[in-house]
Amino acid sequence: AQKVTQAQTEISVVEKEDVTLDCVYETRDTTYYLFWYKQPPSGELVFLIRRNSFDEQNEISGRYSWNFQKSTSSFNFTITASQVVDSAVYFCALSEATNFGNEKLTFGTGTRLTIIP
Amino acid sequence: DAGITQSPRHKVTETGTPVTLRCHQTENHRYMYWYRQDPGHGLRLIHYSYGVKDTDKGEVSDGYSVSRSKTEDFLLTLESATSSQTSVYFCAISSSDSPTYEQYFGPGTRLTVT
Repeated sequence: AQKVTQAQTEISVVEKEDVTLDCVYETRDTTYYLFWYKQPPSGELVFLIRRNSFDEQNEISGRYSWNFQKSTSSFNFTITASQVVDSAVYFCALSEATNFGNEKLTFGTGTRLTIIP
Repeated sequence: DAGITQSPRHKVTETGTPVTLRCHQTENHRYMYWYRQDPGHGLRLIHYSYGVKDTDKGEVSDGYSVSRSKTEDFLLTLESATSSQTSVYFCAISSSDSPTYEQYFGPGTRLTVT
């Protein structure tokens, strides 16, 4: 069975500090996809990134970066120069292909990030 | 904006009553999903649909049924609500037309079973 572990339940950092959110996954599939979602205090779920298992290049998008390492089954998320607006719960997720052409997602339990002004 | 709405947004109901939650999408996506979100569990898949009248079970399907009679609507029914079904329910969509297959979520329905 697939599993996603986000061991950090809550993290607090002072504004402008860098912060890394950890994600470790388990799967037997050779082809899979990893995701990060953000859930701000307003409650909606916002898609951040999707990465396939064959692409281990790091990704950077503004202050956000992602480090994918198959050797350690990790897909970590770093926010550089954090801002108060980054305060949210962040979920890592792993896909599993179905027989119907789509994917099912297995989510981690989330990391609540609080940025202190 | 993925054009997903959920109704109702909030509901309080009594144990033993049936409850139906509705997910409506405006963009003709093929795949639709129902998740529940609980503290300490993240989001867990209840059921999903891969087309009209085509559905399959997810991780936590016991006590729930779904129906999809039109592309745009995916209904989740709690046949006899229990307090353990108090949760926030999210609908999501994805499209095989999208090269990235990401799932987009509705605003959620907060359900309280007393």
